[in-house]
Amino acid sequence: EAGVTQSPTHLIKTRGQQATLRCSPISGHTSVYWYQQALGLGLQFLLWYDEGEERNRGNFPPRFSGRQFPNYSSELNVNALELEDSALYLCASSLAGNNEQFFGPGTRLTVL
Amino acid sequence: KQEVTQIPAALSVPEGENLVLNCSFTDSAIYNLQWFRQDPGKGLTSLLLIQSSQREQTSGRLNASLDKSSGRSTLYIAASQPGDSATYLCAVGHSNYQLIWGAGTKLIIKP
Repeated sequence: EAGVTQSPTHLIKTRGQQATLRCSPISGHTSVYWYQQALGLGLQFLLWYDEGEERNRGNFPPRFSGRQFPNYSSELNVNALELEDSALYLCASSLAGNNEQFFGPGTRLTVL
Repeated sequence: KQEVTQIPAALSVPEGENLVLNCSFTDSAIYNLQWFRQDPGKGLTSLLLIQSSQREQTSGRLNASLDKSSGRSTLYIAASQPGDSATYLCAVGHSNYQLIWGAGTKLIIKP
């Protein structure tokens, strides 16, 4: 069974641009979570989607947004990129009503 | 506000030793606790999940314990191997499905 997949593996953008990161959950999982892991800051919760709805949001500005599609895959969009947005972005999925989360390999975003 | 602390931040031991990694949390009203490992530049691999009603979980050479009343969890690794070298993270889960993370323990097993 395939695990959580994320694309692209690496993404290089310049300040002010927009970035779109994609995540496909494990088959049968309806919840998708996004995390940011910036150097020296540890993992920070970004967003949680379940059944197409945003269920919870971490302490990030509105330029971090996303959505979940009918097939439960998800996109994370970061607008007006800033240098400090450079980080590893991790996506996780879980079954409905169960927060044991399984993680993808991440997307490394570099903002120049 | 839940805070999760992992001690030590880094640990280097010879191959074959048994070792214990610690995780403490400030709010005992947790839903579960997960231990993960992360290899450099990679995603997270789930190691063990302990529900709030459980005291411990075991998988192979790994054993995780949970003491909610004292706000502590330990990850015990038996007979350590160089392939165990990684950063180990604990994450406390709440009923709102949000995970609160420790900063991790970087483990190096010397051959």
